[in-house]
Amino acid sequence: DAGVIQSPRHEVTEMGQEVTLRCKPISGHDYLFWYRQTMMRGLELLIYFNNNVPIDDSGMPEDRFSAKMPNASFSTLKIQPSEPRDSAVYFCASSPGREDNQPQHFGDGTRLSIL
Amino acid sequence: DQQVKQNSPSLSVQEGRISILNCDYTNSMFDYFLWYKKYPAEGPTFLISISSIKDKNEDGRFTVFLNKSAKHLSLHIVPSQPGDSAVYFCAGTGFQKLVFGTGTRLLVSP
Repeated sequence: DAGVIQSPRHEVTEMGQEVTLRCKPISGHDYLFWYRQTMMRGLELLIYFNNNVPIDDSGMPEDRFSAKMPNASFSTLKIQPSEPRDSAVYFCASSPGREDNQPQHFGDGTRLSIL
Repeated sequence: DQQVKQNSPSLSVQEGRISILNCDYTNSMFDYFLWYKKYPAEGPTFLISISSIKDKNEDGRFTVFLNKSAKHLSLHIVPSQPGDSAVYFCAGTGFQKLVFGTGTRLLVSP
C-alpha cells in the first residue's frame, strides 16, 4: 500500500515568494496532520483536519501560513510570503480514526529552504 | 513549555546489549504515549505505544515502561541491532494531538 506522499521533497526559493507544499494521505484515513521540524523547536503540530475539515490550527505560526484540504485525498500547506525563518522540514501525516492509540503515518517530508 | 522531554540527545550501545531511552512529561492529560523511530531523510515511523492506564507494553525486542507517579517512560530495546540506529522520539497524545519530545539519537555499533 502507498504511504503518505508529499511533494516536493525539496524546495529552495527566495524570500517573499509563495510556497505550496502538497500531501496525499493514505486512502481511508480520516485525519490529516501537518508538522514542522526545526532544530530549535523540534517536531511541532501546525494544523490537523478531520474529514477534510480543519479542527485545530492553533499551531500555525502566523497568518502567512494557510492549509486546505479540498478533498479526502489531497491537502496543501501554503506560505505567502515566505521568510528565511520558515526554513524547516515539513511533514504530513494521516491516521485512520479518532482513538488516540491509532498511530499517525508520516510522509518523508519536504525540506524547505528560504534564501 | 516543553510538555515532553528527552534529556539525552544521544546514546551509544554495542550490538546485542540493551538500549534504554528515557522520556519525561509534564502533561497529566495524555491518554497514550508513543515511540517513533526516524531515519535520515525519512518521516517518523511508529514503533510502539502504551496507554496511560498501563505500566508496560511489549512487542518483540521493544518494551515500553510507564511510571505515572514519576511522569516518566522508557523504551527498552533488547537485543540492540545496528539497524536500530536512528533518532527515537517519544510523544504524548490527547484529543488526536501528538506532542513530541526532541529526540534521542541511538547509535548501535557492531
